[in-house]
Amino acid sequence: DAGVIQSPRHEVTEMGQEVTLRCKPISGHDYLFWYRQTMMRGLELLIYFNNNVPIDDSGMPEDRFSAKMPNASFSTLKIQPSEPRDSAVYFCASTAGTSGSSYEQYFGPGTRLTVT
Amino acid sequence: AQSVAQPEDQVNVAEGNPLTVKCTYSVSGNPYLFWYVQYPNRGLQFLLKYITGDNLVKGSYGFEAEFNKSQTSFHLKKPSALVSDSALYFCAVRESYIPTFGRGTSLIVHP
Repeated sequence: DAGVIQSPRHEVTEMGQEVTLRCKPISGHDYLFWYRQTMMRGLELLIYFNNNVPIDDSGMPEDRFSAKMPNASFSTLKIQPSEPRDSAVYFCASTAGTSGSSYEQYFGPGTRLTVT
Repeated sequence: AQSVAQPEDQVNVAEGNPLTVKCTYSVSGNPYLFWYVQYPNRGLQFLLKYITGDNLVKGSYGFEAEFNKSQTSFHLKKPSALVSDSALYFCAVRESYIPTFGRGTSLIVHP
């Protein structure tokens, strides 16, 4: 398996623009997580899905952020409108959850977002 | 609620010396504990985990970790550090489906 795939790897955009980050989880994994990493706040969980259904989005910073998972092999994280404080590295991770929470997560390479 | 603490922002060690990266946790039930490593410009990579059984867990790249229930700790160790071990290390605990990560410890191994 190619692992978790994220695109783009780097995104530079201007304040106010819409940004869409994409993720393809590992085939067969039924949990998908979106994280944001910054020096100041460390690794933050934004939202997670189980079987394509959003379970907990309490980590989403505000209404400018939205996430979807239309099928088992694709998820998007959208920021509209983007702001400079959204600059961070965004990670997608997936895991199997059949037997509970004992499984490790597999992370994608991340998308480095810079909003100017 | 579950939580995890990594008390050291940075650990410095000379190549060839043993290394320890500390982690303590707090959960209300039985913990699932994990260590991940992050190299520059990469995602987190799984190293090892404790689910149940032997308190000493062996993982990738010669790393091991010792689960200590009385001290609620899960320290990461390696007998002989390599320069290539220099990276950011994260401890994580899962009591439910949502893991909680520590803030990370930067390990610097000097030649």
